[in-house]
Amino acid sequence: GAVVSQHPSWVICKSGTSVKIECRSLDFQATTMFWYRQFPKQSLMLMATSNEGSKATYEQGVEKDKFLINHASLTLSTLTVTSAHPEDSSFYICSARVTEGNEKLFFGSGTQLSVL
Amino acid sequence: GQNIDQPTEMTATEGAIVQINCTYQTSGFNGLFWYQQHAGEAPTFLSYNVLDGLEEKGRFSSFLSRSKGYSYLLLKELQMKDSASYLCAVRSTSRSYQLTFGKGTKLSVIP
Repeated sequence: GAVVSQHPSWVICKSGTSVKIECRSLDFQATTMFWYRQFPKQSLMLMATSNEGSKATYEQGVEKDKFLINHASLTLSTLTVTSAHPEDSSFYICSARVTEGNEKLFFGSGTQLSVL
Repeated sequence: GQNIDQPTEMTATEGAIVQINCTYQTSGFNGLFWYQQHAGEAPTFLSYNVLDGLEEKGRFSSFLSRSKGYSYLLLKELQMKDSASYLCAVRSTSRSYQLTFGKGTKLSVIP
């Protein structure tokens, strides 16, 4: 199956700093990637839909100026958490869809962010 | 909006069979997915149903009834490694084919 690489796997940062998370599709082109956030014992919550070459679509309640998404190529999407605060500590996961309507999402391995 | 319900926790014995239920309410239903997620890891795809009926894949089977807004995941011959959270997710055309996830069912397999 398709492979999605996400890194870093974990990151610890100081409050106020910015953190960039990368999500790459290794053996396919992903026109659409999704970014999720998962708090402990909670489900995956969709943050935004990232479309190659256009602006991301953010879910209600997600600050687009805080969570910057860039999808500059068909194989790479990045999520930058700007001015991170302890409440941003969470597990962030990206996923990619190969084609429109494809029934499978391919997930990255996730990034555990801890903000001190 | 969408609403997905599944039990929070379940416990079952090694070698047994367990059924995890999922009920949903959505408009523009376009498929139901089951994912397995071990703690601290990303979800892995288990099954996909878009038509009514049972889909069998090895020890795992998934059932869908669209009229009832109901699905279940059946795990047979449980193994200790099956201890994980199982996420029910619904895809909807009204949400641009995005998946909405349930809160997950944490399954504990005991000896």
